[in-house]
Amino acid sequence: DGGITQSPKYLFRKEGQNVTLSCEQNLNHDAMYWYRQDPGQGLRLIYYSQIVNDFQKGDIAEGYSVSREKKESFPLTVTSAQKNPTAFYLCASSTTREGSGYTFGSGTRLTVV
Amino acid sequence: KNEVEQSPQNLTAQEGEFITINCSYSVGISALHWLQQHPGGGIVSLFMLSSGKKKHGRLIATINIQEKHSSLHITASHPRDSAVYICAVSGGGADGLTFGKGTHLIIQP
Repeated sequence: DGGITQSPKYLFRKEGQNVTLSCEQNLNHDAMYWYRQDPGQGLRLIYYSQIVNDFQKGDIAEGYSVSREKKESFPLTVTSAQKNPTAFYLCASSTTREGSGYTFGSGTRLTVV
Repeated sequence: KNEVEQSPQNLTAQEGEFITINCSYSVGISALHWLQQHPGGGIVSLFMLSSGKKKHGRLIATINIQEKHSSLHITASHPRDSAVYICAVSGGGADGLTFGKGTHLIIQP
């Protein structure tokens, strides 16, 4: 079955370390997204990519970086420049057709200590 | 930028009750999505609609484009419906969704 795989589910890192979150999809979707969720807030867009080798900043891109070398993969790196990295991170994908539905991963909960 | 407001933020009800969750947005959209998030965190898409009404089992979603308002109804609610329900809108293209803060629903037996 097609879907999105995020790994790992839980991740612990020491402050000051970079960490990379994995997101893989086998849905043949062109567009992929990274969102951050904090308690009491709606999901916020970090980065998105509509095509391989291209990506755009979302609303809260500072302290994050991404790459899109393959259609199936859109890894997110949380750098040491991110002031409050502890959060729940969700990956999603869609086609680029207007009115396309979205498919979501199961998320990665990152805790920085 | 679209603003998405959901109400109520929290809702506790008894099993069997009819549940309504509301969503309003500020700018015209191409589609509105209702999503369900369980305690583990993963999100499931329930509905995507751009007009009218959709039904799936005990869930019904409606949208009024002129009023910029949507509702999600749950009939004969059950404890397994307990989750966070999230409204999100897309403006066309593939530049992502704008989310509401979610409604935390608890159905007590």
